[in-house]
Amino acid sequence: DSGVTQTPKHLITATGQRVTLRCSPRSGDLSVYWYQQSLDQGLQFLIQYYNGEERAKGNILERFSAQQFPDLHSELNLSSLELGDSALYFCASSVGAGFYEQYFGPGTRLTVT
Amino acid sequence: QQQVKQSPQSLIVQKGGISIINCAYENTAFDYFPWYQQFPGKGPALLIAIRPDVSEKKEGRFTISFNKSAKQFSLHIMDSQPGDSATYFCAAIEYGGSQGNLIFGKGTKLSVKP
Repeated sequence: DSGVTQTPKHLITATGQRVTLRCSPRSGDLSVYWYQQSLDQGLQFLIQYYNGEERAKGNILERFSAQQFPDLHSELNLSSLELGDSALYFCASSVGAGFYEQYFGPGTRLTVT
Repeated sequence: QQQVKQSPQSLIVQKGGISIINCAYENTAFDYFPWYQQFPGKGPALLIAIRPDVSEKKEGRFTISFNKSAKQFSLHIMDSQPGDSATYFCAAIEYGGSQGNLIFGKGTKLSVKP
């Protein structure tokens, strides 16, 4: 168990809808990262927050957004969902801002029908 | 463009054998190379990592070999066990200005036969 928690575990929704994925980092970790894992694209970095501020952006679509709250938990918002957004979404956390030693949560499996 | 190329896609090894997974990269700005292990239904777990100023790092049965001039690095699993059956990802950290990125290879599915 990495100490990173994610909810929900599974999510099934329809095209055009909006969903929110939640992540709680390990105790003491200030950075939260979001990743998407799909069969065709593999594991891709989406976005990083460090101590409440956006720190780095990867291949995140404009329809997706994230935030990190004062208690350091983070939410990833996915809107105007398309079939191609079906994937596993992982949250990871680390102590510092430098991408090193990231600990991944169990993921949220999103299915868009 | 695939920035970290991983091979093979799948690997079958007998129990007690050595598993070898290779990765290659082009970007000389990469400065940290972790390996992650992922079991079905779980998130990736950090296994071992190396910096480019070191040629080898060993932790238990797992060893990373790093060849900076060839821009290649590999994971060796000694005395492979059925419990090692998982998907392994190599990765590299890239920094551009203050922006970072963790770039993953496509993964290698390892099956260790008893």
